Amino acid sequence: EAQVTQNPRYLITVTGKKLTVTCSQNMNHEYMSWYRQDPGLGLRQIYYSMNVEVTDKGDVPEGYKVSRKEKRNFPLILESPSPNQTSLYFCASSIGPSSYEQYFGPGTRLTVT
Amino acid sequence: DAKTTQPTSMDCAEGRAANLPCNHSTISGNEYVYWYRQIHSQGPQYIIHGLKNNETNEMASLIITEDRKSSTLILPHATLRDTAVYYCIVRPRYQTGANNLFFGTGTRLTVIP
Repeated sequence: EAQVTQNPRYLITVTGKKLTVTCSQNMNHEYMSWYRQDPGLGLRQIYYSMNVEVTDKGDVPEGYKVSRKEKRNFPLILESPSPNQTSLYFCASSIGPSSYEQYFGPGTRLTVT
Repeated sequence: DAKTTQPTSMDCAEGRAANLPCNHSTISGNEYVYWYRQIHSQGPQYIIHGLKNNETNEMASLIITEDRKSSTLILPHATLRDTAVYYCIVRPRYQTGANNLFFGTGTRLTVIP
């Protein structure tokens, strides 16, 4: 089954404790991205990757890092999480940057206390 | 800079057609209309897209006015599983860089038994 998976689905952590949210897709997609969703603000893109070893900032990259060492994986790293990063995070993938259909993961609900 | 305007919420009786309107009066010639939906806190799901002709797939139909300033997503026989937030998005079909989808506030569709 074609899908995007994320782990963990739920995470409660404390300020400053480094964490990684994993994202994996099994569709051989070149393009992957991370979004965060906050009430009243919609989905906002954090980082995206056009292909392996090619990443770039989205609209709200501050406080986040990403890496793309393999085509299928695109982890989101929070080196020093803060409460304002409490949010619902989605990973997405598509064939390419112009693809009309993006496939989204199930989401990761992160709470930073 | 919202490019689309949608009603905040709508109700629809189960089994009836759900017609979700979207205004995009500033749409430019190279921009397509995309529809996604998000079932409560799940990842967004692509529904359909179009440029100027009406489109239909297994999920829905998309009717775009001749002047392209508005469109309507039609779910022909709404079921309880169609209860979700529906997002109308306009963006160029082909673009370099971020395949960024601007999700506004959308329309919350509630299908009533």
